[in-house]
Amino acid sequence: DTGVSQDPRHKITKRGQNVTFRCDPISEHNRLYWYRQTLGQGPEFLTYFQNEAQLEKSRLLSDRFSAERPKGSFSTLEIQRTEQGDSAMYLCASSSRGWETQYFGPGTRLLVL
Amino acid sequence: QQQVKQSPQSLIVQKGGISIINCAYENTAFDYFPWYQQFPGKGPALLIAIRPDVSEKKEGRFTISFNKSAKQFSLHIMDSQPGDSATYFCAASRNTGNQFYFGTGTSLTVIP
Repeated sequence: DTGVSQDPRHKITKRGQNVTFRCDPISEHNRLYWYRQTLGQGPEFLTYFQNEAQLEKSRLLSDRFSAERPKGSFSTLEIQRTEQGDSAMYLCASSSRGWETQYFGPGTRLLVL
Repeated sequence: QQQVKQSPQSLIVQKGGISIINCAYENTAFDYFPWYQQFPGKGPALLIAIRPDVSEKKEGRFTISFNKSAKQFSLHIMDSQPGDSATYFCAASRNTGNQFYFGTGTSLTVIP
């Protein structure tokens, strides 16, 4: 059984650099979500895709953030010109048409120095 | 602005005891309320969920109580076990499922 996978699991970068994260959802899940989780907080919604269409974006998703889901399969989240405040766990989740059950990946932990 | 407020922040319970975690919301458009369990280094996993047309839902040792008029819901873990030690998050969503709002989490420790 292949769950949601995320790559890399950890990323350390210097302020001002660009980083890109990848999420592979469960096969045939048409919904994909990105969240950010900081220490001691719950996941904060960033964006949502249904197939390849990005249908929702949070105000947290500044211009430095961009997400794509080409062909409705895997998704990438890019952060340009990283800032120390971007340090967090970035979680990806997917669900099928029965959207209530979201399956989360293990996350990518980002540290911006 | 926190859409879903969760308390307590941390909870210590003896093995066999009842763990109770509470959440409150303001947006009456929410109509799906899941609870997630998260272990260190892992993503959250769906534990149990409820819709406002019922006041209680039970699955094994886990029960959600829902009070629509008070806009509150809670998770009860009966016969708590050390393996239940984790962080628990409540969440809320509108019926479209396009966006989920999470509480700030409760760190539960069950001591033997």
